[in-house]
Amino acid sequence: DAGVIQSPRHEVTEMGQEVTLRCKPISGHDYLFWYRQTMMRGLELLIYFNNNVPIDDSGMPEDRFSAKMPNASFSTLKIQPSEPRDSAVYFCASSFLFGRDRWGYTFGSGTRLTVV
Amino acid sequence: DAKTTQPNSMESNEEEPVHLPCNHSTISGTDYIHWYRQLPSQGPEYVIHGLTSNVNNRMASLAIAEDRKSSTLILHRATLRDAAVYYCILKNFGNEKLTFGTGTRLTIIP
Repeated sequence: DAGVIQSPRHEVTEMGQEVTLRCKPISGHDYLFWYRQTMMRGLELLIYFNNNVPIDDSGMPEDRFSAKMPNASFSTLKIQPSEPRDSAVYFCASSFLFGRDRWGYTFGSGTRLTVV
Repeated sequence: DAKTTQPNSMESNEEEPVHLPCNHSTISGTDYIHWYRQLPSQGPEYVIHGLTSNVNNRMASLAIAEDRKSSTLILHRATLRDAAVYYCILKNFGNEKLTFGTGTRLTIIP
């Protein structure tokens, strides 16, 4: 199993540009989570999906952030327009109902976003 | 959400056991105790979890106090690859959110 796959690994963009981060969860997993990690705020949950449906987006910082999950094997996190304070490492994680209490959540390697 | 308290940092010698403490005095009856770790430049990784009884797996052991207000993650024989930030998290049954605190940064001394 290739695990949770995130792309790109690194992204450098100019302020005001649109940024799209991508995530492919583990096949068969029915929950998908987006986290953001910064030195100041640590790991923050932004949004999570169950069976492709957004369940809780209370962690999404602003309307500039949006997330979609068009199917069970793909999710995107979009920032439009991007700002320097969005610079962070963004992690995607997935889990499945009957497995998370045995194997927990599986995280991807993250996308390091730098907005200049 | 119930909170956990962990030391900011700990050091341990290589090949010796490591005991990482966690206090969670406001834990509820339906809170599971989860441990994750984050190696440098990687995403968090599941280590172990438990509810009331002590638990063992290939990575570590989890010792839970009888009153459940504290727990200890035990690495039986630390290696340099165990150097990471270790997070103790309370996860309520039925709530899918995993809320990370600041964790304990573990340094292994060769």
